[in-house]
Amino acid sequence: QSVLTQPPSASGTPGQRVTISCSGSSSNIGSNYVYWYQQLPGTAPKLLIYRNNQRPSGVPDRFSGSKSGTSASLAISGLRSEDEADYYCAAWDDSLSGPVVFGGGTKLTVL
Amino acid sequence: QVQLQESGPGLVKPSQTLSLTCTVSGGSISSGSYYWSWIRQPAGKGLEWIGRIYTSGSTNYNPSLKSRVTISVDTSKNQFSLKLSSVTAADTAVYYCARSITSGWFDYWGQGTLVTVSS
Repeated sequence: QSVLTQPPSASGTPGQRVTISCSGSSSNIGSNYVYWYQQLPGTAPKLLIYRNNQRPSGVPDRFSGSKSGTSASLAISGLRSEDEADYYCAAWDDSLSGPVVFGGGTKLTVL
Repeated sequence: QVQLQESGPGLVKPSQTLSLTCTVSGGSISSGSYYWSWIRQPAGKGLEWIGRIYTSGSTNYNPSLKSRVTISVDTSKNQFSLKLSSVTAADTAVYYCARSITSGWFDYWGQGTLVTVSS
């Protein structure tokens, strides 16, 4: 049981916009930054979004992050087949669960 | 470009201690203000943060694993290590080492190494 809650799956067709949610609490998302990772099959996770909505160099602007209260979202616009991957949210947790907690991951399928 | 590489036995017997090392290249492990973490992922499951060591040598561990985990650093070899004691089949996973700037922000990852706990 992960501290941060994500839907186990999401899907979309090429060109569509999809969003993946991440729900937490006041001790993690509610008071700290959220980070998003993309994990392609058989590879290590890759940083996609940092500090809620910032993209590292090299990450396309099709990927965007947002946060409101104790929830966060990752949006992918102009969906491509290569976006098919697992996506994880992460945050700092001030409680005994921490200091680092992950979501359970969302498997994105491009139909 | 910073690179991390995990190494260690791929098979560990139940009740024994799992030991892994992460070798950092492309930068000194003791320079800058970074945390050096271990994260694991059982097959088909999500990521679990195990613990971290700061450049000062201070450590933090996942409360659920704290009693069994030790993370240490060897600056002379530019490495940091993980020891997980009293392992069971539930500890079978791909183990990643990673660098973080602050909690949750992992900017560099190793490729991961599979550790299987079995007799």
